[in-house]
Amino acid sequence: GAGVSQTPSNKVTEKGKYVELRCDPISGHTALYWYRQSLGQGPEFLIYFQGTGAADDSGLPNDRFFAVRPEGSVSTLKIQRTERGDSAVYLCASSRATGRINEQFFGPGTRLTVL
Amino acid sequence: SQQGEEDPQALSIQEGENATMNCSYKTSINNLQWYRQNSGRGLVHLILIRSNEREKHSGRLRVTLDTSKKSSSLLITASRAADTASYFCATDPDTGNQFYFGTGTSLTVIP
Repeated sequence: GAGVSQTPSNKVTEKGKYVELRCDPISGHTALYWYRQSLGQGPEFLIYFQGTGAADDSGLPNDRFFAVRPEGSVSTLKIQRTERGDSAVYLCASSRATGRINEQFFGPGTRLTVL
Repeated sequence: SQQGEEDPQALSIQEGENATMNCSYKTSINNLQWYRQNSGRGLVHLILIRSNEREKHSGRLRVTLDTSKKSSSLLITASRAADTASYFCATDPDTGNQFYFGTGTSLTVIP
């Protein structure tokens, strides 16, 4: 079946604008993760969903960042009042259950550029 | 914050040689995973080793884990040009739900 997909693949926006990034996990995967990866760095954890609920949002940098997963499948990462420092690749991953003993399957990422 | 750190940051070897990458982490873990990332692509899971395991093999990959030293190593034997990528370790602390990735090792295998 299809892997994790993310849209858009690239997003260019202006400082202060609002953006939404979408993640379609693998069908049947209950766990979903969002990460942010800056150039030359490893992925940085943002938020983890188990089903519809955010089980751990401690990685969100501030209240401009918010994510939802209303039906336990597709997730949207929302960033308000974007800043240049938000520029990064945003990665989504899903796994069959809680990720503790299951590998995470990553999408190709959305490259966000804030001008 | 990122818990894991890989070294070296960059490694360049000839095809056929072995490549060894190391990962150190800070807190107690449930398991440690290694991932690979080709330039501009998402990460691909390579291997998972649990905290009660010391060594694991998968094809040309060999992973060791030393929980007393909070370190792991990834060995790729008989490297190929297609192994050129960045390699990350990811730790799953035994508290919380986060996964922590290291800064990665950039491996270049010269044909």
